[in-house]
Amino acid sequence: EPEVTQTPSHQVTQMGQEVILRCVPISNHLYFYWYRQILGQKVEFLVSFYNNEISEKSEIFDDQFSVERPDGSNFTLKIRSTKLEDSAMYFCASRGGSSHEQYFGPGTRLTVT
Amino acid sequence: KQEVTQIPAALSVPEGENLVLNCSFTDSAIYNLQWFRQDPGKGLTSLLLIQSSQREQTSGRLNASLDKSSGRSTLYIAASQPGDSATYLCAVRPRLGASGSRLTFGEGTQLTVNP
Repeated sequence: EPEVTQTPSHQVTQMGQEVILRCVPISNHLYFYWYRQILGQKVEFLVSFYNNEISEKSEIFDDQFSVERPDGSNFTLKIRSTKLEDSAMYFCASRGGSSHEQYFGPGTRLTVT
Repeated sequence: KQEVTQIPAALSVPEGENLVLNCSFTDSAIYNLQWFRQDPGKGLTSLLLIQSSQREQTSGRLNASLDKSSGRSTLYIAASQPGDSATYLCAVRPRLGASGSRLTFGEGTQLTVNP
């Protein structure tokens, strides 16, 4: 069964460094998402992406964040100048054109020290 | 702003028991509602999706209902098993279209099924 994959599973970085989290959505899906979950808190929406552009973003998704679909398979989230409060589990999700169901990847645990 | 609440926060039951998890949302203008399962340290597995025009959906031992006007959904698990132990999340989508597909999540119900 097709699934969303994410790499790395765990990333440790120092405050102020840039990180890139990578996702491979389900093939032929058209809509892509990033969410995050700070330990002990709710899953929060960050951004949605469709047709090679951001379709919606939350107030969390400020200039520190960017997304890109550099080729036909990868979807990345870049966090510039990481802060301690960026430590969280980051989930990628994708959705097909005719389906309303979002499928989530296993997540990348980001630890900023 | 949409707020999603799940009650109870935690639930512990003996194996074989039928149980109900609750989800409520403040803005009834939703497009659909999705139930997920999350195992510790893992990603989210989609269980059921209910469109706003539907009243319920079933998959195996799971049955989800939706009362959009009152802002409530329930997830019924029949004949619970230890393997059902996980955190169950509900999430609502506001509207149709690329700009309306963000999910707003509840905080989850942590379920433990004891053998």
